[in-house]
Amino acid sequence: AQSVTQPDIHITVSEGASLELRCNYSYGATPYLFWYVQSPGQGLQLLLKYFSGDTLVQGIKGFEAEFKRSQSSFNLRKPSVHWSDAAEYFCAVGARDSSYKLIFGSGTRLLVRP
Amino acid sequence: EAGVAQSPRYKIIEKRQSVAFWCNPISGHATLYWYQQILGQGPKLLIQFQNNGVVDDSQLPKDRFSAERLKGVDSTLKIQPAKLEDSAVYLCASSSEFGEAFFGQGTRLTVV
Repeated sequence: AQSVTQPDIHITVSEGASLELRCNYSYGATPYLFWYVQSPGQGLQLLLKYFSGDTLVQGIKGFEAEFKRSQSSFNLRKPSVHWSDAAEYFCAVGARDSSYKLIFGSGTRLLVRP
Repeated sequence: EAGVAQSPRYKIIEKRQSVAFWCNPISGHATLYWYQQILGQGPKLLIQFQNNGVVDDSQLPKDRFSAERLKGVDSTLKIQPAKLEDSAVYLCASSSEFGEAFFGQGTRLTVV
């Protein structure tokens, strides 16, 4: 069965500082991997996705993530955080079999200091 | 391209009442998901449809929750009777065969 762990409940960074949000997954084969962002009162917006190929993927809003098979990780990074990045971030793992089951982690809340 | 539509956006009901949520997925998307998101937690998958068949409903409390997908398009999620712990945001999402899910705005349910 798939599972996702986001070990950090909250992260606070200063505006302009770099960011890394951690995500570890469990799945029997190479999964589909996603990062979503959720602002208060909103639905989830896809930031980026990994299906195959290059393990470093670029997303919207200047985010990137790196798939590391040996560590079962898919960490999200941004070189310089803006105040508008404050939100909840969710990592998700999708099954590659015909079910396409999509499971989410518990989320990391990002706070940005001015 | 129109996104995933959900209604209503907000609903307040008393415990033991019933409630229904509606979802219209993106046109052509075969997979439809319903998630429950309790405040401060990640979305929990309740049920997943592939066309109009159920792929996974292992976490759906079947004694009170039910869902259907009409003709492989629209879907409704019903709770009857509601409990206080059902207060949450109910998210609908749809995806094409590649598993990239697009989400609606959600329905915020408050049970009092």
